[in-house]
Amino acid sequence: GAVVSQHPSWVICKSGTSVKIECRSLDFQATTMFWYRQFPKQSLMLMATSNEGSKATYEQGVEKDKFLINHASLTLSTLTVTSAHPEDSSFYICSAEQGPGNTIYFGEGSWLTVV
Amino acid sequence: EDQVTQSPEALRLQEGESSSLNCSYTVSGLRGLFWYRQDPGKGPEFLFTLYSAGEEKEKERLKATLTKKESFLHITAPKPEDSATYLCAVPSQGAQKLVFGQGTRLTINP
Repeated sequence: GAVVSQHPSWVICKSGTSVKIECRSLDFQATTMFWYRQFPKQSLMLMATSNEGSKATYEQGVEKDKFLINHASLTLSTLTVTSAHPEDSSFYICSAEQGPGNTIYFGEGSWLTVV
Repeated sequence: EDQVTQSPEALRLQEGESSSLNCSYTVSGLRGLFWYRQDPGKGPEFLFTLYSAGEEKEKERLKATLTKKESFLHITAPKPEDSATYLCAVPSQGAQKLVFGQGTRLTINP
């Protein structure tokens, strides 16, 4: 199946700093990428949808100025958590879609711990 | 409103004991139903896509089926390595996103 890669797999940062997570589709061009957050033993919570070259569409309750999403190319999207706080500590997962109606593939996830 | 409901929430089986997981959906104009497997601390791994009622797909000990209202993930003679959370999802009719069920946490005891 298609491969979606996230980097880093885990990161620890200090409160107040910013951290960037990358999501790459390795063997296909992703017109749309999605960012999720997942708390332990809970289902995936969609944060935002990004289309290449366009501004991301954020879900209700997600602060767009705090969670900056960039989808500058068909193979790369980034999520930047700005001014991170301990409550931002979570498992962040991206996914990528080759085109409408196609299968959506997920990355391995990135663990963020804010201390 | 698009809705996906999975049952049971958790299922514990003995190795070799076959069973089925259910995914009921409410969406107008189904454009596919996806099954994923998620291991703890990892992203979901794609298993199957089903597009029309009556369609079936198989992969090793797993078989997914689809009707107009629900999908089943049948697991035959499971092994401990099949332990995971199984998620089903459908594309939202009104928005460009997947609507997920809460998942079924499957545990296979040796």
